[in-house]
Amino acid sequence: GAVVSQHPSRVICKSGTSVKIECRSLDFQATTMFWYRQFPKQSLMLMATSNEGSKATYEQGVEKDKFLINHASLTLSTLTVTSAHPEDSSFYICSAGEGANTDTQYFGPGTRLTVL
Amino acid sequence: GENVEQHPSTLSVQEGDSAVIKCTYSDSASNYFPWYKQELGKRPQLIIDIRSNVGEKKDQRIAVTLNKTAKHFSLHITETQPEDSAVYFCAASSPGGSYIPTFGRGTSLIVHP
Repeated sequence: GAVVSQHPSRVICKSGTSVKIECRSLDFQATTMFWYRQFPKQSLMLMATSNEGSKATYEQGVEKDKFLINHASLTLSTLTVTSAHPEDSSFYICSAGEGANTDTQYFGPGTRLTVL
Repeated sequence: GENVEQHPSTLSVQEGDSAVIKCTYSDSASNYFPWYKQELGKRPQLIIDIRSNVGEKKDQRIAVTLNKTAKHFSLHITETQPEDSAVYFCAASSPGGSYIPTFGRGTSLIVHP
């Protein structure tokens, strides 16, 4: 199956700093990538849809100025958590599917963010 | 929008027993139903999927059934093993929903040796 990588796997930062998370499709091109947030023992919460070459589409309740998404190429999307606070601590996971409008999604390994 | 309900939230079985996890969906336009397995601290892994043009799909010890009329689909795991212990998520998506999957809340499966 297709491979999606994510970096970093774990990050600890101080409150007020910004953190960038990268999501890469390694062996395929992805027009669309999805960013999720997962709290312990809970399901995946879709944050936004990252569209290559255009603005991301954010889900209701997700602050676009807080969670900046850039999808500059067909293999890379980045999520930047700006001015992070302890309540932003979570497991962030991206997913991608091959080509456009694909239903089969492959997930990255996730990034554990801890904001002190 | 789509709404996916998943039951049970926790399932405990003895090694060798079968496990069944059930999901219902609300949008009749949904046509793709994947199942993901997520081990603690790791990524969700696609284990099996089914599309609306078939009623059943099997892959070794894992099978998925789909009832479009009733809008429900189920995951069946036979001869469970301790390594099957994980959280399982069902999902549903449709072309009209831009293929964005709607996930169930997850089922924590515990297989006791």
